[in-house]
Amino acid sequence: SYELTQPPSVSVSPGQTASITCSGNKLGDKYASWYQQKPGQSPVLVIYQDNKRPSGIPERFSGSNSGNTATLTISGTQAMDEAEYYCQAWDSSTTWVVFGGGTKLTVL
Amino acid sequence: QVQLVESGGGLVKPGGSLRLSCAASGFTLNDYYMNWIRQAPGKGLECVSYISSSGSARYYADSVKGRFTISRDNTKNSVFLQMNSLRAEDTAVYYCARDRGSKLGMGPWFDSWGQGTLVTVSS
Repeated sequence: SYELTQPPSVSVSPGQTASITCSGNKLGDKYASWYQQKPGQSPVLVIYQDNKRPSGIPERFSGSNSGNTATLTISGTQAMDEAEYYCQAWDSSTTWVVFGGGTKLTVL
Repeated sequence: QVQLVESGGGLVKPGGSLRLSCAASGFTLNDYYMNWIRQAPGKGLECVSYISSSGSARYYADSVKGRFTISRDNTKNSVFLQMNSLRAEDTAVYYCARDRGSKLGMGPWFDSWGQGTLVTVSS
């Protein structure tokens, strides 16, 4: 089955750029999406189709996807961005949704 | 505005059953595929089941196949998950999520989520 791998944790200082990676076999051939989840809350879509932002998502959130790696980038990271982030892709061979294991972003 | 409200969770004994409901509002339900996604305590997200916009196609995770059944009633703006033969490992928050991309032929992404309903399977 298709798997997506994320680092368990990433730390960043306020105002700096945070990069969270998501790795999977030929992930660049698929669309990647990213979700933010704060404690006790439902996930929120922050990036879809590799690099598109839903309305209401700040411009500091951006995405890219090439080769075997998709990356979520948060520029000028703020304390409010501290959360768990999940990547997601579609495995067309099994017609199934795949999520990465999640990355805890700490802003310190 | 778009809203998804889950209900039906609770405490159930192993082997028992529950029926989850997801009430949709603020959009035309039959324009979207719908998913049930769960999150075990302290764990990540796992897609459990999804259903096409018309209800003609239904898919299940291997872990629930034969035990769970997804359905929808577009006339009542609702999606359901019937869960039978529940196991301790089914304990999780179950989210209803709207899939924006599948009906467009672009693969799924989930642009709206409910608040979740907790299912606890324990004796």
